[in-house]
Amino acid sequence: NAGVTQTPKFRILKIGQSMTLQCTQDMNHNYMYWYRQDPGMGLKLIYYSVGAGITDKGEVPNGYNVSRSTTEDFPLRLELAAPSQTSVYFCASSSTFETQYFGPGTRLLVL
Amino acid sequence: DQQVKQNSPSLSVQEGRISILNCDYTNSMFDYFLWYKKYPAEGPTFLISISSIKDKNEDGRFTVFLNKSAKHLSLHIVPSQPGDSAVYFCAASAANTDKLIFGTGTRLQVFP
Repeated sequence: NAGVTQTPKFRILKIGQSMTLQCTQDMNHNYMYWYRQDPGMGLKLIYYSVGAGITDKGEVPNGYNVSRSTTEDFPLRLELAAPSQTSVYFCASSSTFETQYFGPGTRLLVL
Repeated sequence: DQQVKQNSPSLSVQEGRISILNCDYTNSMFDYFLWYKKYPAEGPTFLISISSIKDKNEDGRFTVFLNKSAKHLSLHIVPSQPGDSAVYFCAASAANTDKLIFGTGTRLQVFP
């Protein structure tokens, strides 16, 4: 039982490049979330999903896209990377939205 | 607009003493509150929660207190241990929403 896994662990992007952050959970959770954490800040919700085929925007969705084709996977897409997207990204899942289980994070640097 | 506030960025406590971490919120619709703990290079892990129908919830060394009239909650750790050194996030949710709002975190350091 791996819980929530995220790949890659670390990535450097050039401005304007695109990438997909992968997130997979093996707990059969319906709820999945993407957060970003900037230095000295809390976790800001980017997008979330309450089940396969259903996604919704969080607090800071601009510059990102998501899809949820299966219960297990919830990838986050950055289309045109900008320096403001330099952050640590966390994926989480839960059976109810309160007690969320987090992955180890992806550290992204946009130069 | 920061709906969940943790005004102390850091706290330093001696091993064996009590650690008290504070959290304030502005949204009166919040009805469920959680604390998460985060070690460096790891994701946050759930620690303890409390519903708005209670004013206290205890789990071992960890107790969360809720004062709804003051829109304030606190996490007490007794006794504090070096392994408790981490960043603690307060989070809140409102009924009929599917998401949590997190505070900015308090870094706790427990020294021998």
